[in-house]
Amino acid sequence: SQQGEEDPQALSIQEGENATMNCSYKTSINNLQWYRQNSGRGLVHLILIRSNEREKHSGRLRVTLDTSKKSSSLLITASRAADTASYFCATDKGTALIFGKGTTLSVSS
Amino acid sequence: DAGVIQSPRHEVTEMGQEVTLRCKPISGHDYLFWYRQTMMRGLELLIYFNNNVPIDDSGMPEDRFSAKMPNASFSTLKIQPSEPRDSAVYFCASSPGTNTEAFFGQGTRLTVV
Repeated sequence: SQQGEEDPQALSIQEGENATMNCSYKTSINNLQWYRQNSGRGLVHLILIRSNEREKHSGRLRVTLDTSKKSSSLLITASRAADTASYFCATDKGTALIFGKGTTLSVSS
Repeated sequence: DAGVIQSPRHEVTEMGQEVTLRCKPISGHDYLFWYRQTMMRGLELLIYFNNNVPIDDSGMPEDRFSAKMPNASFSTLKIQPSEPRDSAVYFCASSPGTNTEAFFGQGTRLTVV
């Protein structure tokens, strides 16, 4: 069963625009992670934010976490065609990660 | 390290046949996870191991599915007998500890006809 749910399911933007994806989850967490999956490939870890953190940056990525609302957002700034992929949030269930169904991002040049 | 290695990359089999998927985790990682990905259900956790011991297999769909980890560098996921609804991409992932990132293999695309 999915713990996290991403929104929107699909997002299409132009190169240079910002992309924002949201994740909502149901139970308390220790941390929340974001992953990217290119078509036909495995998932690649992007960023981890702990439950006591509110915001985290990594390059063009900015992640926020609101534990009171049980939600997180991933912002990709100045998007590029190479950012085209599916993005998943993952929450911890004990040691294992439970993934949402993802947001499919398409960036056109 | 070459990362998590899965084999085969693609498998096509007939209904009723036994299928064995293989995974080599990253050396030194204590945790190994098996996931299944379909369009309908997304990424589902099937089972995970800690130090070669199965910890949670509640995601294994049926008794037709079994997983083993005979040593720290090898795990298998077996489906016997296979059915068309088992068609999916199966991912293996490993991680060095709790509350850390997971490293995924490239997946095995299974098609049961």
